[in-house]
Amino acid sequence: GAGVSQSPSNKVTEKGKDVELRCDPISGHTALYWYRQRLGQGLEFLIYFQGNSAPDKSGLPSDRFSAERTGESVSTLTIQRTQQEDSAVYLCASSAGNVVGPQHFGDGTRLSIL
Amino acid sequence: EDQVTQSPEALRLQEGESSSLNCSYTVSGLRGLFWYRQDPGKGPEFLFTLYSAGEEKEKERLKATLTKKESFLHITAPKPEDSATYLCAVQAQGNKLVFGAGTILRVKS
Repeated sequence: GAGVSQSPSNKVTEKGKDVELRCDPISGHTALYWYRQRLGQGLEFLIYFQGNSAPDKSGLPSDRFSAERTGESVSTLTIQRTQQEDSAVYLCASSAGNVVGPQHFGDGTRLSIL
Repeated sequence: EDQVTQSPEALRLQEGESSSLNCSYTVSGLRGLFWYRQDPGKGPEFLFTLYSAGEEKEKERLKATLTKKESFLHITAPKPEDSATYLCAVQAQGNKLVFGAGTILRVKS
């Protein structure tokens, strides 16, 4: 497809387990972002990748959160030892690069921690 | 710290009843202001980018305007299919977006 693709769309897991969330950006987009959206709240920035530059990790809430990106393609967000407060929708976005322009979002992964 | 505040939190309109949504922002060096629409269970869908005070953008029944302190999203003669959450975001230093909490719009026929 032409848009940002995220998987899985839903994930239910037990507290303390590790989870991996995947994002496929729009082809040709060099910038990739992860955001978290808690119920009834705005989006919170987590991490940003731009080409081969070091990622901006300033939004990661704890060292249990990490993310990787392979070149200018797929990214994986990993949450270790999940806690109930990690329950949220995790959204991925991509954009054309290091310019001021719109970010295009996937439909997110809805993560529920039991 | 960059901040975005949207009002009202929720708005109910009758079909055809025009209104405006507000987005107030405090940023050091605005590079762009973005409006998105979000439907339940979906990711935000891009609507507009505004770059400087005085700029306006239009799309169908929607019109976005920008001043040095706020942006308005004007909805003219809304239809039920305009019901959604409307999100405002600013891009300042760096490339991350800072979002407001959104305005939930319901348009009844």
